Amino acid sequence: GAVVSQHPSRVICKSGTSVKIECRSLDFQATTMFWYRQFPKKSLMLMATSNEGSKATYEQGVEKDKFLINHASLTLSTLTVTSAHPEDSSFYICSARDPGGSGELFFGEGSRLTVL
Amino acid sequence: QKEVEQNSGPLSVPEGAIASLNCTYSDRVSQSFFWYRQYSGKSPELIMSIYSNGDKEDGRFTAQLNKASQYVSLLIRDSQPSDSATYLCAAQRAAGNKLTFGGGTRVLVKP
Repeated sequence: GAVVSQHPSRVICKSGTSVKIECRSLDFQATTMFWYRQFPKKSLMLMATSNEGSKATYEQGVEKDKFLINHASLTLSTLTVTSAHPEDSSFYICSARDPGGSGELFFGEGSRLTVL
Repeated sequence: QKEVEQNSGPLSVPEGAIASLNCTYSDRVSQSFFWYRQYSGKSPELIMSIYSNGDKEDGRFTAQLNKASQYVSLLIRDSQPSDSATYLCAAQRAAGNKLTFGGGTRVLVKP
């Protein structure tokens, strides 16, 4: 399957700081990437759809000014958590669809954010 | 009502037995369905995809789809301790659309 790489895998930051998470498609071009968030023992919640060269589409209830998404190239999307607070601590996972496939999503390794 | 529903478990299965996981969905327009396995602290990995009514087998895994009943299932034959994980069911309206995930079923395979 397609390879999606995410970095960093773990990050600890202080309240009020901003954290950037990168998501790369390694062996294919992804015009669309998806950002999910997962709390412990809960399922994945879609935060936003990242579109190359245009604005991201955010799900209802997700603050676009809080979670900045940039998809500047066909292989890279970034999620920036701005002015992070302890309640933003979560597992953030990006995903992309192999354009040669049939709709399956392939996930990055995930980034565990801890805000102190 | 959640769009994709799964029993949270845990589903406890002896090693070598068959694990049977169920998933129902509410959106009749859904066309594609996926099963992902997620180990604790890791991201999901795709196990199976199914698009047509009936069964689809891949190794020890069999996915079953019944669109009339809005029901998807996953069977794991000859369960191994390494199969212990959370299994996520996902539905998609059409290729290219977002996936909607169920809450996941935790499976424990006991030696």
